[in-house]
Amino acid sequence: DSGVTQTPKHLITATGQRVTLRCSPRSGDLSVYWYQQSLDQGLQFLIQYYNGEERAKGNILERFSAQQFPDLHSELNLSSLELGDSALYFCASSEEPQGSYEQYFGPGTRLTVT
Amino acid sequence: GQNIDQPTEMTATEGAIVQINCTYQTSGFNGLFWYQQHAGEAPTFLSYNVLDGLEEKGRFSSFLSRSKGYSYLLLKELQMKDSASYLCAVREDTDKLIFGTGTRLQVFP
Repeated sequence: DSGVTQTPKHLITATGQRVTLRCSPRSGDLSVYWYQQSLDQGLQFLIQYYNGEERAKGNILERFSAQQFPDLHSELNLSSLELGDSALYFCASSEEPQGSYEQYFGPGTRLTVT
Repeated sequence: GQNIDQPTEMTATEGAIVQINCTYQTSGFNGLFWYQQHAGEAPTFLSYNVLDGLEEKGRFSSFLSRSKGYSYLLLKELQMKDSASYLCAVREDTDKLIFGTGTRLQVFP
């Protein structure tokens, strides 16, 4: 158990819908990262927050947005869902974004768009 | 651009040694990580290299050559539970990790 929690574990929804994925980082970790992992693809970095502020952006679609709240939990919002958005979405957290601080990954949310 | 290459699949026998290679071309370099990921599960941290050389941690070792853009993960005394995907990831100058597509290792008895 990494200490990072994600809800829900599974989500099945239809095309065109909007969903929100939630992540609670490990206690004390200020940095939160979101990744997408499609079938047979590597982890694709989406976005990072540090202490409530957006810090780095990866290949995140305009239909997707995220935020980190004062209590440091984070939410990833996916809208106008398409079949291709079906994937595992991981959240990770780290104490600091630099140096040898490893990222601890949550169990993921499996999103299925039908 | 960014490019991280790893073999797609490898097989090995229980008790043997296997080396998983990773080459990278990134716009910056601020450390290289190896993660293990069992199917459908979260990646778990294995090792971190930022300076050239070998880092040893029990049955697992990781090597880095920054001038060659090359790293390897060495797994000794393989066990069946080592069957998993192994992900090489490079931290660029910014905080984000760029992951390779991973190497799926199958260990046979």
